[in-house]
Amino acid sequence: DGGITQSPKYLFRKEGQNVTLSCEQNLNHDAMYWYRQDPGQGLRLIYYSQIVNDFQKGDIAEGYSVSREKKESFPLTVTSAQKNPTAFYLCASTPFLGGGETDTQYFGPGTRLTVL
Amino acid sequence: KNEVEQSPQNLTAQEGEFITINCSYSVGISALHWLQQHPGGGIVSLFMLSSGKKKHGRLIATINIQEKHSSLHITASHPRDSAVYICAVRSGTSYDKVIFGPGTSLSVIP
Repeated sequence: DGGITQSPKYLFRKEGQNVTLSCEQNLNHDAMYWYRQDPGQGLRLIYYSQIVNDFQKGDIAEGYSVSREKKESFPLTVTSAQKNPTAFYLCASTPFLGGGETDTQYFGPGTRLTVL
Repeated sequence: KNEVEQSPQNLTAQEGEFITINCSYSVGISALHWLQQHPGGGIVSLFMLSSGKKKHGRLIATINIQEKHSSLHITASHPRDSAVYICAVRSGTSYDKVIFGPGTSLSVIP
């Protein structure tokens, strides 16, 4: 079945360590996104990518980095520079960035990161 | 003031009740989305609409562009409808300009 997978589902990290969250899609979508979700707040865009080897900062990119070496993969690294990394992270994709009339966003199951 | 607001924040209903969740926004939009987030965290897109009304099964979504308001209705609610419902607005055509509401947590009791 086509979809988006994120791993791991739960992740624990010691303060000061970098950690990489995986996002893979087999939908052949061009655009991919990373969001952060905190309790009581709406999702906030961290980074997005329209095509391979290209990505742009979203609203809260500080302390995060991404890569897009393959169309199907968009890993997110949470660096030690991120001051408050404990959150729920969601990956999403769309056929292309400029959503058409019928395009919808597909979301992965999410990764819950806890910094100890 | 948040650009996308939802009410109520939390909602508890008895099975079979008619439920309404409201969304108001303050920006110009090209489309509005209703999303459902399951207790495990996964999100599913329910509706995308730019005018009028859409229906899918027991779910109905309406939007009033002039009033910058949308509602999500659930008829004959069931415990499996328990989830967080998120309103999101897209300004322009691209998905990098989506503003998400804080969500409404719905619990349907048997």
